[in-house]
Amino acid sequence: EPEVTQTPSHQVTQMGQEVILRCVPISNHLYFYWYRQILGQKVEFLVSFYNNEISEKSEIFDDQFSVERPDGSNFTLKIRSTKLEDSAMYFCASRPGQRVNYGYTFGSGTRLTVV
Amino acid sequence: DAKTTQPTSMDCAEGRAANLPCNHSTISGNEYVYWYRQIHSQGPQYIIHGLKNNETNEMASLIITEDRKSSTLILPHATLRDTAVYYCIGGDGGSNYKLTFGKGTLLTVNP
Repeated sequence: EPEVTQTPSHQVTQMGQEVILRCVPISNHLYFYWYRQILGQKVEFLVSFYNNEISEKSEIFDDQFSVERPDGSNFTLKIRSTKLEDSAMYFCASRPGQRVNYGYTFGSGTRLTVV
Repeated sequence: DAKTTQPTSMDCAEGRAANLPCNHSTISGNEYVYWYRQIHSQGPQYIIHGLKNNETNEMASLIITEDRKSSTLILPHATLRDTAVYYCIGGDGGSNYKLTFGKGTLLTVNP
């Protein structure tokens, strides 16, 4: 079964450093998402991406965050200057299209720890 | 998106049916009910969705009441690997649809 692949599985970074989280969505999917989950809390929407542009973003997704689909296969989330509160699991997800029958497929996540 | 209410936790014996309820009394006519689950901090996994008819797939069945104010996810023969947090989410599934996760129900399947 096709999978959404995320790398790395764990990332430790110092506060103030830039990190890039990488995702390879399922190849024929058109809609891409990033979610995050702080330990013990809900899964939260960050951003959705379609047709090479952001279609929606949450209040969490401020100027420190950016997304890119640089080569038609990878989908990246960049955090420019990490803060302690950015420590969380980050999940990438994709959908084939906009029909309601298409559920999301999530990756297994990247655990980001900011020290 | 419709607000949903689920019990915080439930237990089920291995091999028995697990019935997970969800209240969504504010759901609108064009909103679907989606179910996802999350096994121990893994990425959420899609299970099933429905509008007003009951639905069944290889993972589960979804029973939606006639007034659409509540639904039940049924895992017919729960296994230990079904221990997870189960999320009931309402939404129209359109092009800008994003999932809004609540706290869900922690289902513990006991041997």
